[in-house]
Amino acid sequence: QVQLQESGPGLVKPSETLSLTCTVSGGSISSYYWSWIRQPPEKGLEWIGYIYYSGSTNYNPSLKSRVTISVDTSKNQFSLKLSSVTAADTAVYYCARVGGSSSVFRSGFFDYWGQGTLVTVSS
Amino acid sequence: SYELTQPPSVSVSPGQTASITCSGDKLGGKYACWYQQKPGQSPVLLIYQDVKRPSGIPERFSGSNSGNTATLTISGTQAMDEADYYCQAWDSSIVVFGGGTELTVL
Repeated sequence: QVQLQESGPGLVKPSETLSLTCTVSGGSISSYYWSWIRQPPEKGLEWIGYIYYSGSTNYNPSLKSRVTISVDTSKNQFSLKLSSVTAADTAVYYCARVGGSSSVFRSGFFDYWGQGTLVTVSS
Repeated sequence: SYELTQPPSVSVSPGQTASITCSGDKLGGKYACWYQQKPGQSPVLLIYQDVKRPSGIPERFSGSNSGNTATLTISGTQAMDEADYYCQAWDSSIVVFGGGTELTVL
């Protein structure tokens, strides 16, 4: 059974960089796309971006200028960096696996999710 | 940018059928997924590729997608189905979520 676990600071100061890591266990990070998704308090889900195990990425256009997602296959981990954060970036951050085989960019779905980690942006 | 629109809330009586819609331009030409999220929990995949259910998801959950609207149908709704529901699709290699629908069972 694939499991994902987010880790990182729960408090980040405004204008600084938010950094989170997702550790994948119970399966290999290879041959899948992996994603970050966030949810501000009492609001809906917002997709941040995804990365393939080979390192290719794509980001939400609304966050693209501030987001970097990277992967470390040797550790079965992928990471998120979000720069110049403000209070609007306060959210529960989830990592998730993109399931599906062919045509992932048309028929992919999020089949495994981490438990989520709350990141608060405050001085 | 592509948008998916869901009603903010839907109410249903126990044992009745609940329908939650998700609207988007030519959504029927894309694949829709549905997720259930209960308070304090991570989302759970309910339906993928319009109509498929992952193992472990009860048969009372079903999906359809045609024209501009995808629909999640819950037959014989139970109190435990009270949750937020989100639709999701892809547009030009970008993931799009609907705004979510709060299902109340009363």
